[in-house]
Amino acid sequence: KAGVTQTPRYLIKTRGQQVTLSCSPISGHRSVSWYQQTPGQGLQFLFEYFSETQRNKGNFPGRFSGRQFSNSRSEMNVSTLELGDSALYLCASSLVPQETQYFGPGTRLLVL
Amino acid sequence: GNSVTQMEGPVTLSEEAFLTINCTYTATGYPSLFWYVQYPGEGLQLLLKATKADDKGSNKGFEATYRKETTSFHLEKGSVQVSDSAVYFCALSDRSDYKLSFGAGTTVTVRA
Repeated sequence: KAGVTQTPRYLIKTRGQQVTLSCSPISGHRSVSWYQQTPGQGLQFLFEYFSETQRNKGNFPGRFSGRQFSNSRSEMNVSTLELGDSALYLCASSLVPQETQYFGPGTRLLVL
Repeated sequence: GNSVTQMEGPVTLSEEAFLTINCTYTATGYPSLFWYVQYPGEGLQLLLKATKADDKGSNKGFEATYRKETTSFHLEKGSVQVSDSAVYFCALSDRSDYKLSFGAGTTVTVRA
């Protein structure tokens, strides 16, 4: 069974631009969570989607948003990029929210 | 709120040495506990988990026991290999919302 896939793997943007990251969960998994990893703040929870509904949201500004489609694929969007948004963005999927989360390889975003 | 505290690294060991990484947690209720591993340039891989007190998770020679009385989940391996060099993250999943809260990570380097 294929694992969690994320596209693109690397991205370079400039301040003020917006970006969309994509995540395809493991087949059959209906819950998708997003995390941000930075050297300074470590791993922080962004949000979680289950059955196309956002169930939970972390402490991030409204510039960070996401959605989930009927096939469980998910996208996250960051608008008006700031230098501090440079990070590794990790997507994780699980069968349902209470089951173990499995991570993708991440998208590394660099904001210049 | 929930929190996870890991021993600070980096940890440098020789091959075949004994590895232990301390992890303690603060949580309401009875969380599930995890160890994830991150190899350079990759996402997180689930190493092992435990869902209730006194459970022992094990995988690839690594072990960790869920100790409710000491709120700990220390990771151990009896004989490390160079291929075990990675960053190790302790995490908990609260049963109220299931999002993962991570420790800061411990960098382990094993020298031949």
